[in-house]
Parts: sequence; C-alpha cells; structure tokens
Amino acid sequence: GQQLNQSPQSMFIQEGEDVSMNCTSSSIFNTWLWYKQDPGEGPVLLIALYKAGELTSNGRLTAQFGITRKDSFLNISASIPSDVGIYFCAGQLVDMRFGAGTRLTVKP
Amino acid sequence: GEEVAQTPKHLVRGEGQKAKLYCAPIKGHSYVFWYQQVLKNEFKFLISFQNENVFDETGMPKERFSAKCLPNSPCSLEIQATKLEDSAVYFCASSQHHSGYEQYFGPGTRLTVT
Repeated sequence: GQQLNQSPQSMFIQEGEDVSMNCTSSSIFNTWLWYKQDPGEGPVLLIALYKAGELTSNGRLTAQFGITRKDSFLNISASIPSDVGIYFCAGQLVDMRFGAGTRLTVKP
Repeated sequence: GEEVAQTPKHLVRGEGQKAKLYCAPIKGHSYVFWYQQVLKNEFKFLISFQNENVFDETGMPKERFSAKCLPNSPCSLEIQATKLEDSAVYFCASSQHHSGYEQYFGPGTRLTVT
C-alpha cells in the first residue's frame, strides 16, 4: 500500500539535543500514531492522535496532528542514549499506512 | 493477556517447506492484523480479522498464504511452499476497533527461508 513520506531517514545527534521528525501524505487521516522499534523487537506505541490540531505529550515526547490532516510531527526533547531506535509514523483512515521510519542515533 | 504474544520468535525453513506462525491478541481486542516487515523496514499489511472473521485480506498473496483466527485458539498465519522472498519479520497487532484506535504490536516472528 501507499506509504507515508517520513523524514528524515536518519539522524545522528548528541545526547541532550532535541529531535524533530515528520510525516506527510497526500491523503487525509483520522488517526496518527507514532511508534518506536528497537532491534529485534516489535513497534511500541508512543503517542496516538485523534483530532486535527491536537498536540499531545508523553514525557519528553510531543506529537501534533496537522491541521490539514495530512501530516504529523514528533519532537523528542533532551535526547538520551536509550532514545536510539527507529521511529515510525502511521496514519489511519480505514486501514493503517506506515512511514519508512527515522533511524535515530544518539552519541553520548 | 496484556500484551500481544507471538510464537515462535525465530523460524527457519528450507525453500518449499511450510511455515506456521501464531499470534495471541490482547484480551478484549476484537481485531487482529498481520504485517510483513522486510529489509527496508517497510510494513506491508497482509490481513485483518474481526474476531474469527476475515475483515480485510487485500494484502494477502492468495496462492501460498492463509490465515485463521478460531475461537479460543491463537490466530495463525501459514505459508505453504515458502520462497526465499518470504524471509521477513511477521508482526501481529491487535486493537479494540478496526480504525480510529491504537494498534498494539507483538514482538514478531523472524522467518528465514534458506
């Protein structure tokens, strides 16, 4: 199925820095989800968004559901080494579409 | 249970052999989804179930793939006559509703076809 456009593909940052990643689509969605996947594990749900314009936080993570319903971003503040992993966005209208992931590396 | 359970963790099959993967959804979740994740990390939707009924099977390769969710049993995904390109990690996810709700993923089954 059609994938979402997720960027950046990868990020190399220093511990303590803030991170921002986003997903865009030509289609509208009713739900945006952000997942984190560690090597050899399944994706773990970080944040779920259900309304256009919604801004939701989960600890150091903040995500927003774009007003146009075609995009979403995820911010991580004050990154730590355990933030390393691949972050996926997922948008859903009827079925779920996934971004290709942002691979985050955090240097101590 | 409180988490999606998948077995086995790893499965190795020779080309042409059968592979069967299992998934137990979170208790109380009516919907089960199967995804295939290949090398480029892309998630490919295969099939979804509402309880024991197929809800959407548009992603299933019809010839060799089949899936079931029977009452009081783990859901299963079966691949007959595996091919090299079936090597991937297969994830099961469950949800209370089909859309507009969170999907929770299991740890995956890594299938290697040699």
